[in-house]
Amino acid sequence: KAGVTQTPRYLIKTRGQQVTLSCSPISGHRSVSWYQQTPGQGLQFLFEYFSETQRNKGNFPGRFSGRQFSNSRSEMNVSTLELGDSALYLCASSLEDRGAYEQYFGPGTRLTVT
Amino acid sequence: DQQVKQNSPSLSVQEGRISILNCDYTNSMFDYFLWYKKYPAEGPTFLISISSIKDKNEDGRFTVFLNKSAKHLSLHIVPSQPGDSAVYFCAAVYSGAGSYQLTFGKGTKLSVIP
Repeated sequence: KAGVTQTPRYLIKTRGQQVTLSCSPISGHRSVSWYQQTPGQGLQFLFEYFSETQRNKGNFPGRFSGRQFSNSRSEMNVSTLELGDSALYLCASSLEDRGAYEQYFGPGTRLTVT
Repeated sequence: DQQVKQNSPSLSVQEGRISILNCDYTNSMFDYFLWYKKYPAEGPTFLISISSIKDKNEDGRFTVFLNKSAKHLSLHIVPSQPGDSAVYFCAAVYSGAGSYQLTFGKGTKLSVIP
């Protein structure tokens, strides 16, 4: 089974621009979560989608948004980019399976804001 | 407020010896715990998990121990191999939240010396 894929792998943007990142989950996984990893803050939860609905959201400003499509693929968008948004953005998918909360991560998108 | 803490940023172990990575949590609502391994420029890889109804779970060279009263868990790797050198993250889930949000510690960098 193919793993979680994320595109693009690397991205350089300028302050004030907006960016869209894409994630394709493992086949059959309906839950998709996004995380931001920075050296200072570690891995922080952004949001989680299931069946095209946002089920949970972390403590990030409204400039961070996402969506999920009917095929479970997900996108996240960051508007009005700031230098502090430079980070590794990770997508993870999981089975909707009570009692098992393992999430499987993609390789991430490295975003650099200049 | 950091709910999952990994107090040792780094650990060095000789090849063939035991590696013990520790993790503490403060939120007593967490009821499922996971360990991930991460290499540079890759997403985290799921290693092993444990439900709060258990106090031990084994998978090959990896064993996770959970002490609920102390709010402490540990990952034992025996024997340690050079390929185990990576950053290890502890993560926790509150299953009653209705979503799959993982709360991560900041990681421990394990170096296995040949």
